Amino acid sequence: SAVISQKPSRDICQRGTSLTIQCQVDSQVTMMFWYRQQPGQSLTLIATANQGSEATYESGFVIDKFPISRPNLTFSTLTVSNMSPEDSSIYLCSVASGGAPGTQYFGPGTRLLVL
Amino acid sequence: GQQLNQSPQSMFIQEGEDVSMNCTSSSIFNTWLWYKQDPGEGPVLLIALYKAGELTSNGRLTAQFGITRKDSFLNISASIPSDVGIYFCAGRSNTGNQFYFGTGTSLTVIP
Repeated sequence: SAVISQKPSRDICQRGTSLTIQCQVDSQVTMMFWYRQQPGQSLTLIATANQGSEATYESGFVIDKFPISRPNLTFSTLTVSNMSPEDSSIYLCSVASGGAPGTQYFGPGTRLLVL
Repeated sequence: GQQLNQSPQSMFIQEGEDVSMNCTSSSIFNTWLWYKQDPGEGPVLLIALYKAGELTSNGRLTAQFGITRKDSFLNISASIPSDVGIYFCAGRSNTGNQFYFGTGTSLTVIP
């Protein structure tokens, strides 16, 4: 399994500002993902962070709002830009092993409250 | 994206009782995963399933990969208070890298 850490663990931000969330993995992984989990809801995939190239975004998520970096195989950042109260959520970093069999592991999450 | 249906949405049970929950998909999957999420934490992987019909246990937890490949089941025997949390299923087909997640089952265990 992979050990994943996220920073910050939680934050309270003012609307209109931006927050960058860091994700660090203890081993090199091919695939890294960013998810959003709104209160009481399931997990929604924001994007796949690709090493050395632009992230692949899911429908409803755009690079201008959620820019992602993946400079190497153990680290990624997600920025939540120009925040509004609707962005209040848990943001989760996840890593997966591709192929068969595959598994997916999650970080502890970043709890964001936008006032 | 695709979302899997989990049932029941929530459960309130007495300590010591057994628990059953399931997850269904409109698509065929070749991998099923089950997670538990405690309040304020990220999901923790409990069990992974890779073959139709496969039955895998992890302590008091047992999960099965449905033979139709469109469903999976999780059972918890002799529940205890620390079983409280939200349980998520996730499935992936052999044509993609993305796991799709279920709607979650919230479990409350009454001492």
